[in-house]
Amino acid sequence: EAEVAQSPRYKITEKSQAVAFWCDPISGHATLYWYRQILGQGPELLVQFQDESVVDDSQLPKDRFSAERLKGVDSTLKIQPAELGDSAMYLCASSPKGGKNTEAFFGQGTRLTVV
Amino acid sequence: GENVEQHPSTLSVQEGDSAVIKCTYSDSASNYFPWYKQELGKRPQLIIDIRSNVGEKKDQRIAVTLNKTAKHFSLHITETQPEDSAVYFCAASIGFQKLVFGTGTRLLVSP
Repeated sequence: EAEVAQSPRYKITEKSQAVAFWCDPISGHATLYWYRQILGQGPELLVQFQDESVVDDSQLPKDRFSAERLKGVDSTLKIQPAELGDSAMYLCASSPKGGKNTEAFFGQGTRLTVV
Repeated sequence: GENVEQHPSTLSVQEGDSAVIKCTYSDSASNYFPWYKQELGKRPQLIIDIRSNVGEKKDQRIAVTLNKTAKHFSLHITETQPEDSAVYFCAASIGFQKLVFGTGTRLLVSP
């Protein structure tokens, strides 16, 4: 069964350092989401791509966060500099474009701890 | 933008009882409403979804109802089992745009 791949699974970084997460969506999925999930809360959308274009990044803290999906396939989310409040689970999800099925499939996530 | 509220935040039931989780949404243009189950330390997984042209959908012990006029939808789990214990999230979106999640309900099913 196809899955959304994310790496690394866990990341510990010191505040003010740069950190990057990688996501490889299910093959053929045009839509890719990055969510942040703080412990005990629901996933919060950071950025949504349709192919290589950003559809929504209204909740992305653009002073420190950046995201790209250059070839419309895999994606990278970067934080620079990391702050203590960035500690959370970062989830990537993908869904197909068009058709009846708009289910978003989630990856295992990257758990970030900023110390 | 869309805002999704979810209640209750925690729900404890005895095995075999029914559980109901309710969500409201703000954007009347939303037309897709999935429910996700997240077990501790694992990824959210879709358990059921409903579109705005349908009022109710059922899959074995799980059902979802949608009231477009009131802008609310609910998850119903019958004959609950201990393995149903998890955090459940509702979500809403307009087509493929911006899937917005509720704050989650922690369901605990006691044997």
